[in-house]
Amino acid sequence: EPEVTQTPSHQVTQMGQEVILRCVPISNHLYFYWYRQILGQKVEFLVSFYNNEISEKSEIFDDQFSVERPDGSNFTLKIRSTKLEDSAMYFCAILSVGTPKGGETQYFGPGTRLLVL
Amino acid sequence: RKEVEQDPGPFNVPEGATVAFNCTYSNSASQSFFWYRQDCRKEPKLLMSVYSSGNEDGRFTAQLNRASQYISLLIRDSKLSDSATYLCVVNYGQNFVFGPGTRLSVLP
Repeated sequence: EPEVTQTPSHQVTQMGQEVILRCVPISNHLYFYWYRQILGQKVEFLVSFYNNEISEKSEIFDDQFSVERPDGSNFTLKIRSTKLEDSAMYFCAILSVGTPKGGETQYFGPGTRLLVL
Repeated sequence: RKEVEQDPGPFNVPEGATVAFNCTYSNSASQSFFWYRQDCRKEPKLLMSVYSSGNEDGRFTAQLNRASQYISLLIRDSKLSDSATYLCVVNYGQNFVFGPGTRLSVLP
């Protein structure tokens, strides 16, 4: 199973501050995703990223959000000016092809828990 | 609109019971289907893909009915460790849409 790590595991920030969440896949992948999950709610798609470009984004992913892959390995999600409602778990996922459990499947990192005060 | 709906739950069952979860999806162009499990405050983990002919992995059986746009997951001989939230996931191209999940508690 492909491994994905995320840093930090937890982040507490003040409203209006910028945060950068990082995702590091262990092996090379072309497709990356960010999801968020507000406590007690469902997993929500934010953005998909393919070949160093945004492939698709949801209505949640507004101008306050940006993604990049600055050095070819780390995949980052930046929230420019955090709001209280940005408090959630943020998961990075990679797309893996030809795995034993299926064709194209997603594997998730352990998540970053963001708390905006 | 891309929607995935699941049984609202929670399901509380005794150890050894058989439990079934249902999922429906709205977009007939959906290509692939999955069941994930999510433990409290953890990431979703792939349980199994769902194939058109149905598939089984140990105590878990998944079924797909494309005509009815319906997916199911059956867990036989449930264990305490099966307690989790089960997420139905539908794939459209390279994008994946998650259902709200159904929580299962297996009781001793």
